[in-house]
Amino acid sequence: ETGVTQSPTHLIKTRGQQVTLRCSSQSGHNTVSWYQQALGQGPQFIFQYYREEENGRGNFPPRFSGLQFPNYSSELNVNALELDDSALYLCASSLESVGSYEQYFGPGTRLTVT
Amino acid sequence: DAKTTQPTSMDCAEGRAANLPCNHSTISGNEYVYWYRQIHSQGPQYIIHGLKNNETNEMASLIITEDRKSSTLILPHATLRDTAVYYCIVRPLNTGTASKLTFGTGTRLQVTL
Repeated sequence: ETGVTQSPTHLIKTRGQQVTLRCSSQSGHNTVSWYQQALGQGPQFIFQYYREEENGRGNFPPRFSGLQFPNYSSELNVNALELDDSALYLCASSLESVGSYEQYFGPGTRLTVT
Repeated sequence: DAKTTQPTSMDCAEGRAANLPCNHSTISGNEYVYWYRQIHSQGPQYIIHGLKNNETNEMASLIITEDRKSSTLILPHATLRDTAVYYCIVRPLNTGTASKLTFGTGTRLQVTL
């Protein structure tokens, strides 16, 4: 158990709809990263939030957006859903500091787009 | 981030040591080697990391070659619960920008009776 929780566990949406996924980070952590994992692939970095600001982004279109709240929890929003957005969405929390550090992952949200 | 190469799959008998190799020949001097694993239907789990010295913790040992171009993750006494996909990742020291993890496809370790 990492202390990172995500909701919901599973979700089914229709193409064109919008979805919001939620993540609560581990106590004491100030950074949240989001990843998308397609079936049979490794997780792909979407973006990272540090102290409520986006702190880097992977190769994902603007319809993927996020928020981080003062308590360091986070949301991932995806607009205009496409079939290829079907994946496991993972969030990871960490404590940003100089030097190496570990990211602790939640169990993920399985999104199916039909 | 430097690219890593891992075997697609490996088998190991329960109770034996599992040695998982990783090549990272383009690693830079400021990049760490990280290992994560992902058990089916769960999020990735941090295992261990190192820069140039060998490291050991309660889960595993990490052996990094002197030229740092390859490393081996060692699970000393594998159990069925160690069956998972193991990812070797190299990433730089935190530079203030997003410290993302770049996952490849990993090694699928199957531990058998």
